[in-house]
Amino acid sequence: EAQVTQNPRYLITVTGKKLTVTCSQNMNHEYMSWYRQDPGLGLRQIYYSMNVEVTDKGDVPEGYKVSRKEKRNFPLILESPSPNQTSLYFCASSSFGGVYQETQYFGPGTRLLVL
Amino acid sequence: QQPVQSPQAVILREGEDAVINCSSSKALYSVHWYRQKHGEAPVFLMILLKGGEQKGHDKISASFNEKKQQSSLYLTASQLSYSGTYFCGTVSGTYKYIFGTGTRLKVLA
Repeated sequence: EAQVTQNPRYLITVTGKKLTVTCSQNMNHEYMSWYRQDPGLGLRQIYYSMNVEVTDKGDVPEGYKVSRKEKRNFPLILESPSPNQTSLYFCASSSFGGVYQETQYFGPGTRLLVL
Repeated sequence: QQPVQSPQAVILREGEDAVINCSSSKALYSVHWYRQKHGEAPVFLMILLKGGEQKGHDKISASFNEKKQQSSLYLTASQLSYSGTYFCGTVSGTYKYIFGTGTRLKVLA
Protein backbone atom coordinates (compact mmCIF):
# COMPACT_ATOMS: atom_id res chain seq x y z
CA GLU A 1 0.00 0.00 0.00
CA ALA A 2 1.32 3.41 -1.00
CA GLN A 3 1.76 5.50 2.10
CA VAL A 4 3.60 8.18 4.01
CA THR A 5 4.24 7.40 7.65
CA GLN A 6 5.11 9.82 10.43
CA ASN A 7 6.19 9.20 13.99
CA PRO A 8 5.29 10.05 16.62
CA ARG A 9 1.65 10.98 16.06
CA TYR A 10 1.47 12.96 19.29
CA LEU A 11 4.28 14.55 21.25
CA ILE A 12 4.44 16.71 24.35
CA THR A 13 7.83 18.14 25.17
CA VAL A 14 9.46 21.02 27.01
CA THR A 15 11.23 24.08 25.71
CA GLY A 16 14.76 23.39 24.55
CA LYS A 17 14.62 19.59 24.45
CA LYS A 18 15.74 18.45 21.01
CA LEU A 19 13.31 16.26 19.11
CA THR A 20 13.01 14.51 15.75
CA VAL A 21 9.84 13.68 13.84
CA THR A 22 10.41 10.92 11.33
CA CYS A 23 8.82 10.66 7.90
CA SER A 24 9.06 7.79 5.46
CA GLN A 25 7.44 7.08 2.08
CA ASN A 26 7.32 3.86 0.07
CA MET A 27 6.50 5.30 -3.37
CA ASN A 28 10.02 6.15 -4.52
CA HIS A 29 9.06 9.82 -4.75
CA GLU A 30 11.74 12.40 -5.41
CA TYR A 31 9.95 15.29 -3.69
CA MET A 32 9.33 15.37 0.04
CA SER A 33 8.12 18.21 2.16
CA TRP A 34 7.20 19.31 5.68
CA TYR A 35 4.26 21.56 6.50
CA ARG A 36 2.88 23.03 9.66
CA GLN A 37 -0.76 23.89 10.12
CA ASP A 38 -1.99 26.48 12.57
CA PRO A 39 -5.51 27.83 13.09
CA GLY A 40 -6.13 30.84 10.88
CA LEU A 41 -2.79 30.42 9.08
CA GLY A 42 -3.52 27.39 6.95
CA LEU A 43 -0.78 25.06 5.71
CA ARG A 44 2.71 26.50 5.41
CA GLN A 45 5.75 24.78 4.00
CA ILE A 46 8.75 24.46 6.31
CA TYR A 47 11.32 22.67 4.14
CA TYR A 48 11.28 20.60 1.01
CA SER A 49 13.64 18.22 -0.74
CA MET A 50 13.89 17.53 -4.44
CA ASN A 51 16.06 14.45 -3.96
CA VAL A 52 18.74 12.88 -1.78
CA GLU A 53 21.04 15.54 -0.30
CA VAL A 54 18.99 18.33 -1.94
CA THR A 55 16.92 20.40 0.48
CA ASP A 56 15.66 23.96 0.49
CA LYS A 57 13.70 26.34 2.69
CA GLY A 58 9.99 26.80 2.47
CA ASP A 59 8.16 29.78 3.91
CA VAL A 60 8.71 29.11 7.62
CA PRO A 61 12.08 27.35 8.09
CA GLU A 62 13.26 29.17 11.25
CA GLY A 63 13.89 26.81 14.15
CA TYR A 64 13.82 23.65 12.02
CA LYS A 65 16.36 21.42 10.33
CA VAL A 66 15.95 18.60 7.85
CA SER A 67 18.13 16.03 6.16
CA ARG A 68 17.64 13.72 3.21
CA LYS A 69 20.23 10.96 3.36
CA GLU A 70 17.96 8.33 1.84
CA LYS A 71 15.26 8.80 -0.75
CA ARG A 72 12.51 7.34 1.42
CA ASN A 73 13.21 9.27 4.64
CA PHE A 74 12.94 12.96 5.46
CA PRO A 75 13.17 13.65 9.21
CA LEU A 76 12.26 17.01 10.74
CA ILE A 77 14.53 18.14 13.57
CA LEU A 78 13.74 20.76 16.18
CA GLU A 79 17.08 21.48 17.87
CA SER A 80 15.64 23.71 20.59
CA PRO A 81 11.84 23.68 20.48
CA SER A 82 9.92 26.71 21.66
CA PRO A 83 6.21 27.12 22.47
CA ASN A 84 5.58 28.90 19.15
CA GLN A 85 6.42 25.62 17.42
CA THR A 86 3.36 24.01 18.94
CA SER A 87 1.46 22.94 15.84
CA LEU A 88 0.14 20.14 13.65
CA TYR A 89 2.87 18.91 11.32
CA PHE A 90 2.43 17.04 8.05
CA CYS A 91 4.98 15.29 5.91
CA ALA A 92 4.18 14.80 2.23
CA SER A 93 5.74 13.27 -0.86
CA SER A 94 5.17 13.41 -4.61
CA SER A 95 6.83 12.85 -7.94
CA PHE A 96 7.45 15.51 -10.53
CA GLY A 97 6.15 15.11 -14.07
CA GLY A 98 8.51 17.40 -15.87
CA VAL A 99 7.75 20.91 -14.68
CA TYR A 100 4.66 20.19 -12.66
CA GLN A 101 4.14 18.36 -9.42
CA GLU A 102 2.05 15.22 -9.37
CA THR A 103 -0.29 14.17 -6.58
CA GLN A 104 1.02 15.01 -3.15
CA TYR A 105 0.49 12.24 -0.56
CA PHE A 106 0.34 13.26 3.07
CA GLY A 107 1.27 11.48 6.25
CA PRO A 108 -1.30 11.31 9.09
CA GLY A 109 0.16 14.28 10.95
CA THR A 110 2.06 14.85 14.19
CA ARG A 111 0.53 16.97 16.93
CA LEU A 112 3.30 18.70 18.85
CA LEU A 113 2.88 20.60 22.10
CA VAL A 114 5.88 22.48 23.45
CA LEU A 115 5.53 23.57 27.07
CA GLN B 1 2.27 35.34 -1.46
CA GLN B 2 -0.31 32.61 -1.01
CA PRO B 3 -3.29 32.27 -3.36
CA VAL B 4 -6.48 33.78 -2.00
CA GLN B 5 -9.58 31.62 -1.86
CA SER B 6 -13.17 32.78 -1.79
CA PRO B 7 -15.47 32.42 -0.08
CA GLN B 8 -13.75 31.84 3.27
CA ALA B 9 -16.66 29.71 4.44
CA VAL B 10 -19.89 28.39 3.03
CA ILE B 11 -22.84 26.45 4.41
CA LEU B 12 -25.00 24.34 2.11
CA ARG B 13 -27.94 22.03 2.31
CA GLU B 14 -27.55 18.56 0.82
CA GLY B 15 -28.11 18.70 -2.92
CA GLU B 16 -27.06 22.33 -3.33
CA ASP B 17 -24.14 23.48 -5.46
CA ALA B 18 -21.06 25.48 -4.51
CA VAL B 19 -18.16 27.18 -6.24
CA ILE B 20 -14.81 27.83 -4.58
CA ASN B 21 -12.38 30.21 -6.24
CA CYS B 22 -8.60 30.39 -6.01
CA SER B 23 -6.79 33.51 -7.25
CA SER B 24 -3.08 34.09 -7.44
CA SER B 25 -1.10 37.30 -7.84
CA LYS B 26 1.63 35.29 -9.56
CA ALA B 27 1.56 33.19 -12.71
CA LEU B 28 0.10 29.73 -12.23
CA TYR B 29 1.41 26.75 -14.18
CA SER B 30 -0.56 24.10 -12.37
CA VAL B 31 -3.14 24.00 -9.59
CA HIS B 32 -3.94 21.25 -7.14
CA TRP B 33 -7.12 20.94 -5.11
CA TYR B 34 -7.34 19.18 -1.73
CA ARG B 35 -10.02 18.48 0.84
CA GLN B 36 -9.19 18.21 4.53
CA LYS B 37 -11.47 16.81 7.19
CA HIS B 38 -11.01 18.16 10.71
CA GLY B 39 -7.91 16.70 12.35
CA GLU B 40 -6.97 14.66 9.29
CA ALA B 41 -4.43 15.02 6.51
CA PRO B 42 -5.33 16.81 3.28
CA VAL B 43 -6.52 14.50 0.54
CA PHE B 44 -5.72 15.22 -3.09
CA LEU B 45 -8.75 15.81 -5.33
CA MET B 46 -7.34 16.80 -8.70
CA ILE B 47 -4.58 18.57 -10.59
CA LEU B 48 -5.08 21.05 -13.40
CA LEU B 49 -2.33 21.98 -15.79
CA LYS B 50 -1.63 25.00 -17.95
CA GLY B 51 -3.94 25.15 -20.96
CA GLY B 52 -7.27 26.25 -19.51
CA GLU B 53 -8.31 22.73 -18.85
CA GLN B 54 -11.30 21.50 -16.96
CA LYS B 55 -11.42 18.30 -15.00
CA GLY B 56 -13.84 16.40 -12.87
CA HIS B 57 -14.92 13.19 -11.32
CA ASP B 58 -18.19 12.32 -9.69
CA LYS B 59 -19.88 15.61 -8.90
CA ILE B 60 -16.69 17.59 -8.28
CA SER B 61 -15.03 19.41 -11.14
CA ALA B 62 -12.60 22.26 -11.59
CA SER B 63 -11.42 24.75 -14.15
CA PHE B 64 -8.13 26.57 -14.59
CA ASN B 65 -7.60 29.84 -16.41
CA GLU B 66 -3.90 30.65 -16.38
CA LYS B 67 -4.40 34.03 -18.07
CA LYS B 68 -6.57 35.17 -15.19
CA GLN B 69 -4.36 33.27 -12.72
CA GLN B 70 -7.46 31.64 -11.30
CA SER B 71 -8.91 28.23 -10.65
CA SER B 72 -12.42 27.31 -9.55
CA LEU B 73 -13.72 24.16 -7.88
CA TYR B 74 -17.33 23.19 -8.56
CA LEU B 75 -19.27 20.93 -6.22
CA THR B 76 -22.66 19.91 -7.54
CA ALA B 77 -25.47 18.18 -5.68
CA SER B 78 -23.42 18.34 -2.49
CA GLN B 79 -23.37 15.44 -0.06
CA LEU B 80 -22.70 15.38 3.68
CA SER B 81 -19.31 13.82 2.92
CA TYR B 82 -18.23 16.98 1.09
CA SER B 83 -17.92 18.86 4.38
CA GLY B 84 -14.39 19.94 5.19
CA THR B 85 -11.85 22.58 4.31
CA TYR B 86 -10.81 22.92 0.68
CA PHE B 87 -7.39 24.15 -0.32
CA CYS B 88 -5.89 25.01 -3.64
CA GLY B 89 -2.13 24.70 -3.97
CA THR B 90 0.58 25.40 -6.46
CA VAL B 91 4.32 25.23 -7.01
CA SER B 92 5.91 28.63 -6.63
CA GLY B 93 9.39 29.54 -7.77
CA THR B 94 11.96 26.78 -7.50
CA TYR B 95 9.72 23.94 -6.33
CA LYS B 96 8.49 25.67 -3.19
CA TYR B 97 4.85 24.73 -2.59
CA ILE B 98 2.17 27.17 -1.49
CA PHE B 99 -1.36 26.44 -0.30
CA GLY B 100 -4.27 28.80 -0.70
CA THR B 101 -5.98 30.42 2.26
CA GLY B 102 -8.63 27.69 2.48
CA THR B 103 -12.43 27.52 2.29
CA ARG B 104 -14.48 25.86 5.04
CA LEU B 105 -17.50 24.05 3.63
CA LYS B 106 -20.30 22.63 5.75
CA VAL B 107 -23.09 20.55 4.24
CA LEU B 108 -26.23 20.21 6.33
CA ALA B 109 -28.81 17.45 6.05
